[in-house]
This record gives sequence, structure tokens and C-alpha cells, in this order.
Amino acid sequence: DTGVSQDPRHKITKRGQNVTFRCDPISEHNRLYWYRQTLGQGPEFLTYFQNEAQLEKSRLLSDRFSAERPKGSFSTLEIQRTEQGDSAMYLCASSPQGTNTGELFFGEGSRLTVL
Amino acid sequence: EDQVTQSPEALRLQEGESSSLNCSYTVSGLRGLFWYRQDPGKGPEFLFTLYSAGEEKEKERLKATLTKKESFLHITAPKPEDSATYLCAVWAWVNSNYQLIWGAGTKLIIKP
Repeated sequence: DTGVSQDPRHKITKRGQNVTFRCDPISEHNRLYWYRQTLGQGPEFLTYFQNEAQLEKSRLLSDRFSAERPKGSFSTLEIQRTEQGDSAMYLCASSPQGTNTGELFFGEGSRLTVL
Repeated sequence: EDQVTQSPEALRLQEGESSSLNCSYTVSGLRGLFWYRQDPGKGPEFLFTLYSAGEEKEKERLKATLTKKESFLHITAPKPEDSATYLCAVWAWVNSNYQLIWGAGTKLIIKP
């Protein structure tokens, strides 16, 4: 399968714990995005990488959230000291350089439940 | 404030009953409008890009159109497998960067 893959698909954690999600984009794509989506809402932008450089980060994003893409391939999204409000689907998307940046390829998401 | 509003929130149709979904937007300088399909528990899947008023795109039973204020996703003779949430997004200048602004989606249910 050559699509965007995310791991884990589901994560249940207790409030205050740290969680980490991984995203493997389509191999030739140099742009990578993280979004958060809650039930009945559209995706909410979190952050964007071009290769290994983090070029944008949502101003709404708490300092508890951090993302990395160390070698310009896979990316990780870490949430520290989770809160119940962090419960959501975390979506990763990628796109190749040179295309219209509104045409994204999404993974199946990582669903987080904070108890 | 730039925003995207989709209507209706949910739409139930009988198989074969054609209808339209609406996406209205208020952005300063449209750089592209995008339609996506999202199945339950999955990530969105790209369908169409529209750039300018009057433009139309088609794929199977779906046709997307664009005016200066809104876009429509027309579905002709739908089948149960067309059931999904349809999301609309626009490319807009937000906080000194271009970003996708998403609507909340229309949940489409096609009954056999």
C-alpha cells in the first residue's frame, strides 16, 4: 500500500499522560500536514512541514503539542499532559511539491480518547 | 472573517433521487475551492478543485460548480455507496499564510 499511513489507529489514555502519533506520508511527497477533527466538524489545521522544516504552526495550538519530521520522511505528533478536550481524530496528510496545496492525500487518522 | 458554511448539515435521499449540496464562502481572494468525501472513521478523500466562477468538474454521478459566493455539489441518481460526509474547503490567506479553511460538512445518506 502506497498511501499515507498512521499509527496507532486508536489510542485510549488517561488525562495527564503523554501520547505520540506517527505518520508515514506517500514516499515522494515532501509536504506533510497535521490536522485535528472532532465529530461533526471539518479538519482543523495544526502544523505543516516542507521536507524536515516546520513552516507553519497554528496559533491555536497549545505548547503541549509538538511535531517533528527529522529526516523529511515520517513525522510524529506528541501531545503532553493530555486533557479531555484533546479527544479527537488526528489526521495526517501529504502532497507533492508543485501541486496545488489544497489537494491533499489523507491517512485514515489516529483516534484519541482521553479519559 | 474568512469562513466556509455548508448546508444542509444532513441530507437523506432515496436511491436515484438527485439533489445538491451547498458550500458558501466569504474569503478575501479565492485561490481555490476543494471538495472532499469522507467515509466514517476514515480520512477525507480529494474529489475536485475549482478555481474560478463558472468552472465545473464532473466525476461519475457528481458535478461541482462554482460561483463568486458559493459552490454546489450536484449528485445525480445517487446510489447507496455515495453515502458519506462531503466536505468543502477554500484556500485563503489566514494569519500571514495560505491555509485551507474547512466547512463542517454535509452528511449524505442514500437509502436503497
